[in-house]
Amino acid sequence: DAGVIQSPRHEVTEMGQEVTLRCKPISGHDYLFWYRQTMMRGLELLIYFNNNVPIDDSGMPEDRFSAKMPNASFSTLKIQPSEPRDSAVYFCASSLRGGGRLNEQFFGPGTRLTVL
Amino acid sequence: SQKIEQNSEALNIQEGKTATLTCNYTNYSPAYLQWYRQDPGRGPVFLLLIRENEKEKRKERLKVTFDTTLKQSLFHITASQPADSATYLCALAKGADKLIFGTGTRLQVFP
Repeated sequence: DAGVIQSPRHEVTEMGQEVTLRCKPISGHDYLFWYRQTMMRGLELLIYFNNNVPIDDSGMPEDRFSAKMPNASFSTLKIQPSEPRDSAVYFCASSLRGGGRLNEQFFGPGTRLTVL
Repeated sequence: SQKIEQNSEALNIQEGKTATLTCNYTNYSPAYLQWYRQDPGRGPVFLLLIRENEKEKRKERLKVTFDTTLKQSLFHITASQPADSATYLCALAKGADKLIFGTGTRLQVFP
């Protein structure tokens, strides 16, 4: 398996522009998580999905952030409009629950976002 | 609110020694706790999980303890190697699905 795939790996944009981050989870996984990592705040959970349905979006910082999962193999995280304080590394992770599994999460390589 | 503390200072140890990393938490009783390794420019990688009813878990040179009374987990790497140099994150389960991550401790093993 190729693991969790994220694109783009790097994104540089100007304040006010729309940013769309993409994620392809591991095939067969039923949970998908979006995280943001900064030096100051560490790794923060933004939102997660179970079977393509958003379960908890309490970590989404503002209405400028939105996430979708139209099918089991694709999810997007959108920021509109972007601000310099959104600069961070955004990670997508997936997991497969149930059946006594360890509940470990598999992370993608991340997207480094810089908003100028 | 829940708080997870890991030593923000980097831990520097000599090759061959045992590295011990600490994860303390407050205002919470997680059902399980996980440890992840993160290398620069990469996503975290799962290492070990320990449940609240387990005192200790081992995997090769790694050992994790979980003291629910002290609200603390210790992560040990025995016979450390320079390749073990990385940032190590602890993560506490919140409910059945979510993980709350600590800020991580950077480990540097020098020859």
